[in-house]
Amino acid sequence: QVQLVESGGGVVQPGMSLRLSCAASGFTFSISGMYWVRQAPGKGLEWVAVISYDGSNNHYADSVKGRFTISRDNSKDTLYLQMSSLRVEDTAVYYCAKKKSGTYYEPCDVWGQGTMVTVSS
Amino acid sequence: EIVLTQSPGTLSLSPGERATLSCRASQTVSSSYLAWYQQKPGQAPRLLIYGASSRATGIPDRFSGSGSGTDFTLTISRLEPEDFAVYYCQQYGSSFTFGPGTKVDIK
Repeated sequence: QVQLVESGGGVVQPGMSLRLSCAASGFTFSISGMYWVRQAPGKGLEWVAVISYDGSNNHYADSVKGRFTISRDNSKDTLYLQMSSLRVEDTAVYYCAKKKSGTYYEPCDVWGQGTMVTVSS
Repeated sequence: EIVLTQSPGTLSLSPGERATLSCRASQTVSSSYLAWYQQKPGQAPRLLIYGASSRATGIPDRFSGSGSGTDFTLTISRLEPEDFAVYYCQQYGSSFTFGPGTKVDIK
């Protein structure tokens, strides 16, 4: 079945870096655009970054632009989010999600279970 | 960036009642690129509606979406016990912003 499994979350101090991974299975990852979406404790959803199927196109939310980098390795069916200069307000559950179809502007039709990132001194 | 506003913030209804949720955009959402998601506590969101009115795979027909331009609506015709959850709209025509959510709880 279609599955996304995030990993790499944890507790880090402000200013530190962390890399999240998302392992995909059950679908053709190399033709699927992907999202990272986060949710702070008790809050709503916030899109973080989006990447095209081949990695040639991406977008970032203003809140993370210049600090976070989305990337993918289609040979490993894996999505990444490199997070640097982390702030307390980056504390959230981070979800990876698959775009519904191959075009760039698509909603998320499959979500992972999320990985928790806590930024605290 | 397009900002989405959802109303009401909380909707208190009984099973069997009709739920009407609103999502308003600060600018026209191109090509009706508007989606609705359901999220239950401790779970990831689930796609319900895309393209403003198309139901995602496996979504019951009691869920329907409508609207265009800046005003969109999610309607749940008869609430089932499993429908009490938080609902988010998302526009994906210009960037990918989410609305703040509407909580549907049991009256």
